[in-house]
Amino acid sequence: EDQVTQSPEALRLQEGESSSLNCSYTVSGLRGLFWYRQDPGKGPEFLFTLYSAGEEKEKERLKATLTKKESFLHITAPKPEDSATYLCAVQADFGNEKLTFGTGTRLTIIP
Amino acid sequence: GAVVSQHPSRVICKSGTSVKIECRSLDFQATTMFWYRQFPKQSLMLMATSNEGSKATYEQGVEKDKFLINHASLTLSTLTVTSAHPEDSSFYICSARDWGLADTQYFGPGTRLTVL
Repeated sequence: EDQVTQSPEALRLQEGESSSLNCSYTVSGLRGLFWYRQDPGKGPEFLFTLYSAGEEKEKERLKATLTKKESFLHITAPKPEDSATYLCAVQADFGNEKLTFGTGTRLTIIP
Repeated sequence: GAVVSQHPSRVICKSGTSVKIECRSLDFQATTMFWYRQFPKQSLMLMATSNEGSKATYEQGVEKDKFLINHASLTLSTLTVTSAHPEDSSFYICSARDWGLADTQYFGPGTRLTVL
């Protein structure tokens, strides 16, 4: 069974204080790993898709990296508007489009 | 980017009534749409996969007769919660896959259902 574990559960940072969120996964064969951002009371907003170990993607203050066992979401010099829950999900590589989500990291950036 | 809408954004109903939630892909065609449920401070749980023109595939433990899904066109899927009860109160979110942007699911804004 596919599993996704995210850590930490919650993270409070001062504005400008860089850090990383972790997503560990077990899947029979990885088709893709996805990062989403979710604000309270809203649906997830797509950030990145990673397909193979060693791949990296960047968007503004965010950079996602992937290894064979985990993915990191690095946030550089965060701003208060980066406060949200960040969700990681995996899609297995056998024709099933199902996403398995982790429980997320609730990030709070303090001005 | 790909946009998915949901209607209504929130609904309050009495126990025993049925509620229909619409999910639309606004700027792309989606042969496959997904319905999720999210409880407070928990992650998304897939309820069913909806394919245009065919029956939905439900996840284990999801009652097919309670959560009716119809995917009548390439841009519209509906979820009907039949004979709703307070335990059905939740945040329901749909997503749609854009084949042009391989593998990525784009999510709607969600529907907050409260059953009194």
